[in-house]
Amino acid sequence: QQQVKQSPQSLIVQKGGISIINCAYENTAFDYFPWYQQFPGKGPALLIAIRPDVSEKKEGRFTISFNKSAKQFSLHIMDSQPGDSATYFCAASGHGNTGKLIFGQGTTLQVKP
Amino acid sequence: ETGVTQTPRHLVMGMTNKKSLKCEQHLGHNAMYWYKQSAKKPLELMFVYSLEERVENNSVPSRFSPECPNSSHLFLHLHTLQPEDSALYLCASSQVVGTEAFFGQGTRLTVV
Repeated sequence: QQQVKQSPQSLIVQKGGISIINCAYENTAFDYFPWYQQFPGKGPALLIAIRPDVSEKKEGRFTISFNKSAKQFSLHIMDSQPGDSATYFCAASGHGNTGKLIFGQGTTLQVKP
Repeated sequence: ETGVTQTPRHLVMGMTNKKSLKCEQHLGHNAMYWYKQSAKKPLELMFVYSLEERVENNSVPSRFSPECPNSSHLFLHLHTLQPEDSALYLCASSQVVGTEAFFGQGTRLTVV
């Protein structure tokens, strides 16, 4: 019940295309859903986050879509660029698990020029 | 830079060695964390400290021993590790437990 399942494991997208990464969770007590971006040799960095009171949040080319009833959320990267090539992690936390972040398995994105 | 600094960046140690990883945050946060990142596995939370008090120990073997002397510093003491402990060890901090976490660049640990 503490797991966050992320798919796909890897993704290849052409420059200018849309990258979509999906996550699903079981614990209904989760109330904070961030996405992290990690470049090789670096630690993860917060990209965008959402709380369940909204169904969508957009920041520049990055959008989180949230479906509370399905317990799923996804990251959409519009107009994908080679500089977006990185590993992306979804995560979830909430009062039900003392607030600690539970991470998905990660998606390695490659954007081809 | 994220304001969380980890040293060393790389560490190679034998199974009988004792070493320590250091983390320092300059963000004024009250919560600090150790995560383990292995290839093809999710980030695994190891320890959580809130206001210098350990609030979570995720069934981590005793060969890993954390220390939080103050809210800005976090250590991970290592002894008699196994080759399967080789991984990237990440430190993170947040204002309070459960809010946005800022990660350091990690220590790449290799146990030989």
